[in-house]
Amino acid sequence: DAKTTQPNSMESNEEEPVHLPCNHSTISGTDYIHWYRQLPSQGPEYVIHGLTSNVNNRMASLAIAEDRKSSTLILHRATLRDAAVYYCPRGGQNFVFGPGTRLSVLP
Amino acid sequence: GAGVSQSPSNKVTEKGKDVELRCDPISGHTALYWYRQRLGQGLEFLIYFQGNSAPDKSGLPSDRFSAERTGESVSTLTIQRTQQEDSAVYLCASSLGGWSSYEQYFGPGTRLTVT
Repeated sequence: DAKTTQPNSMESNEEEPVHLPCNHSTISGTDYIHWYRQLPSQGPEYVIHGLTSNVNNRMASLAIAEDRKSSTLILHRATLRDAAVYYCPRGGQNFVFGPGTRLSVLP
Repeated sequence: GAGVSQSPSNKVTEKGKDVELRCDPISGHTALYWYRQRLGQGLEFLIYFQGNSAPDKSGLPSDRFSAERTGESVSTLTIQRTQQEDSAVYLCASSLGGWSSYEQYFGPGTRLTVT
């Protein structure tokens, strides 16, 4: 079964950049790479997605490896409000969400 | 504009009873997804609708679970003869189109507790 793999947890200091990795070695050529996050007691929230090129939006940047087997979500300056579980679901007709990475941000 | 809404927000039911969970997607979104999230776990895909057809029902855990969608609007997830292991937050999401080219917008979820 094609899944994505992420570290269980990561820690960052406030106002420092954070690089969250995701491996998706079996992704198909037409599947987009998505990132979502889930704050405590809330539903997941879309962060960013892309196909081949790196992407930027007001929330984050997405760096996609040339072979598309991995990607990195970049939060340029972490804030306390960025503490959440971050998911990089496998795309396709349905989305497969793994357990994600729990990001802690230290003041 | 209005986001995805779900009702009820909380539901407590006795084991063996049937429950219906409702999802109102964002207007114009043709794709609709249902997920389940047990306490402390990641999201578990249940079913995907494109319009009112469900091309992928592979995630439904048993035949006690069913879902339907009216046109490109409201969807209902029904759980018959509820069991304690059905206790979870049930999340609905919608997107402009299917496949992975469109981002999903999630509702706040329905917390189901089976006693």
